[in-house]
Amino acid sequence: QQQVKQSPQSLIVQKGGISIINCAYENTAFDYFPWYQQFPGKGPALLIAIRPDVSEKKEGRFTISFNKSAKQFSLHIMDSQPGDSATYFCAASGGTGSYQLTFGKGTKLSVIP
Amino acid sequence: EAGVAQSPRYKIIEKRQSVAFWCNPISGHATLYWYQQILGQGPKLLIQFQNNGVVDDSQLPKDRFSAERLKGVDSTLKIQPAKLEDSAVYLCASSFWPLQVGIAKNIQYFGAGTRLSVL
Repeated sequence: QQQVKQSPQSLIVQKGGISIINCAYENTAFDYFPWYQQFPGKGPALLIAIRPDVSEKKEGRFTISFNKSAKQFSLHIMDSQPGDSATYFCAASGGTGSYQLTFGKGTKLSVIP
Repeated sequence: EAGVAQSPRYKIIEKRQSVAFWCNPISGHATLYWYQQILGQGPKLLIQFQNNGVVDDSQLPKDRFSAERLKGVDSTLKIQPAKLEDSAVYLCASSFWPLQVGIAKNIQYFGAGTRLSVL
C-alpha cells in the first residue's frame, strides 16, 4: 500500500522557471513532511521539511506548501537552475514514537539551459 | 563531520549467492536504518536499529535478509540466498537520538549506498 503518492514522475523545466512537485498522503497520523534531493550515485539528502501546523515554509528558492484538509503538500523550486537537476522525493512520518519515513516514488527533474 | 560510510559501492553476484553490506553511521547517531531502493522508486525501510536493538523489522524478508548492529555502531546487512528481485541500491541512514528542542524531527543522513546486481 503506497501511503505517499508523488507526481509527476518526471519534469522538464527551463532555467529560471518554476518547478512544482506534488505529493498526497493517506495516513492522518503523519506529522512531519520532508523533501529529499538525490543526485545520481549519491544518497538522498534533506532539502526542506514542514510540520502540519504551518501552511508554508520557505528556504531560499525552495518552498513547501501544505494543505492539511486535502492531505497534500508540494515543493516549489523558484528560479530553477541546471544544478537543481536531480530526483526529488517527498516523505512523511508520524504517529506516537514513529520516526520512520515513508517515501514517494520520486520525481526526476531536469532543468535545461 | 564525516558522513555515513557504506561499502562496497557496487556488488555483482549470481542468484542464490550470499552478500553482505557494511555501514558506519555518523558518530553519535544512535539510530540506524537500512533501506532498499529499487530503480525508479523511493527508498523502502527494511530495518531500524536504536543503539544495538531492533526497533522495527516488519518489512525485512527474514527468510533471506538479516541485519545486526553489534556494539551499537557499525551495522551489517546480509542477503542469503539472493534472488533476482533483490537487485537494488541498499542505503544506510542514521539519525541523532534523543531529539532535542529546536532540532528538526528525524533528520536522516544517508550514505551513498551499495548498488547490488543479482544475475
